[in-house]
Amino acid sequence: DTEVTQTPKHLVMGMTNKKSLKCEQHMGHRAMYWYKQKAKKPPELMFVYSYEKLSINESVPSRFSPECPNSSLLNLHLHALQPEDSALYLCASSQQTVSSEQYFGPGTRLTVT
Amino acid sequence: GENVEQHPSTLSVQEGDSAVIKCTYSDSASNYFPWYKQELGKRPQLIIDIRSNVGEKKDQRIAVTLNKTAKHFSLHITETQPEDSAVYFCAATYTGGFKTIFGAGTRLFVKA
Repeated sequence: DTEVTQTPKHLVMGMTNKKSLKCEQHMGHRAMYWYKQKAKKPPELMFVYSYEKLSINESVPSRFSPECPNSSLLNLHLHALQPEDSALYLCASSQQTVSSEQYFGPGTRLTVT
Repeated sequence: GENVEQHPSTLSVQEGDSAVIKCTYSDSASNYFPWYKQELGKRPQLIIDIRSNVGEKKDQRIAVTLNKTAKHFSLHITETQPEDSAVYFCAATYTGGFKTIFGAGTRLFVKA
C-alpha cells in the first residue's frame, strides 16, 4: 500500500464545533506531517511528528491540536475555528524527516462558517 | 529566516517547447530539493528531486540542476505536453529544523 488516506474529504463546521481530521498510512513511514493550503498558495507546514513524537509546531494556534496515536495514524483536532481557517488540509508521510520524499494524502477541504 | 523564491509565477508555452522554472533558497544547510506537481483539485506529487551532493539529475523529459554556490536550482521540462499543465512547486528541506519550505508555485500552461 503506497497511499496516504485522509478522512473526511470535505468538512463544513461552525465556529463553535469540535471536529477531527484523520490521516492514515501503511508504508512504515516514521514521519508524518500536517500542512495547510489556501487557494493558489503553496502548502504551509503546521506540524511534524517523528517516531510518534511532535518535533515541529510552526506556531500554530491552539485551536488546532495534533495527535499521533501510533505510527500509522495522525489526527488533527479542531475547535473554535475561524472562517480564515478554511483551507485544504494535507497530510503527508515520509521515511525520515529529512532528505526523503513526502507522500501526500488527497486532503480534507475544510469550510468554517 | 528560511525562504524559497520561485519564478516565474505563471508560464505559458506551446506544446513541444521547453519550460524552465527557477528557485533560490536562503539556508546553505539545505540538502534536499524536491519538485512537486499539483493538478487542480489534487494532491501534490513528487516529480523529481535532487540532493546537495549532486549537480544534475534527469528523468525522461524532466531534469533538475542545482548550483549550491549560488543557492539556485531549476526544473527543466522538454517537449512539453498539454498534460504537463499544472502548478509546480519547488521546495528545500532544512536539516536543522526538519522541515520543508515550498516556493510560491509556478502555474504552467501548455497550449496545444
